[in-house]
Amino acid sequence: DIQMTQSPSSLSASVGDRVTITCRANGDIHNYLAWLQQKPGKAPESLIYAASSLQSGVPSRFSGSRSGTDFTLTISSLQPEDFATYYCQQYNLFPPTFGQGTRLEIK
Amino acid sequence: EVQLVESGGGLVQPGGSLRLSCAASGFTFNNYWLHWLRQVPGKGLVWVARINNDGSSISYADSVKGRFTMSRDNAKNTGDLQMNSLRAEDTAVYYCARSNPALAVYYLDYWGQGILVTVSS
Repeated sequence: DIQMTQSPSSLSASVGDRVTITCRANGDIHNYLAWLQQKPGKAPESLIYAASSLQSGVPSRFSGSRSGTDFTLTISSLQPEDFATYYCQQYNLFPPTFGQGTRLEIK
Repeated sequence: EVQLVESGGGLVQPGGSLRLSCAASGFTFNNYWLHWLRQVPGKGLVWVARINNDGSSISYADSVKGRFTMSRDNAKNTGDLQMNSLRAEDTAVYYCARSNPALAVYYLDYWGQGILVTVSS
């Protein structure tokens, strides 16, 4: 199975900050990488697919990029509703696998 | 509005069975694959199983193969997960999710709210 490694595992930031979360795959997943947001007690919601395409309805402060097998989620200016846990997911190879999550907390 | 609503969870003893259902609305159900995933509270997400549009192809994670059976009823817009021989390690919140095979078969664009399954004596 493809292993997805996220960093950092947790992060403290303030409203208005620019935040970056990284995900690395241990194999070639091309651009088949999604980012999801999960708030406590809620279902995950898709933010980004194909490494950099924004899911419909997602604010433009979220963006994604790829460099080889490294993928990055950037939030350009944190809003109060962005404090949540973020997961990356590869969907190129079976079975689909997820990173361990990055918990974004208010500083 | 796309909605996926899970039901059927609860407490079951080890070795027991439980059947989860996922009711879909707000989209053309038979155009989408359906998936089940699970999450131990406080832990990460794990894919469990998927079924294609017409139910002719099903795949499972190794951890549930031979114990779980996935099915769907396109006339009723529902998908089920029959879970047998349950173990303590199957305790988790179970989510159903959909994917559009025209885009990517394992990209999950909408998820249900989840249902808790607890396996304990």
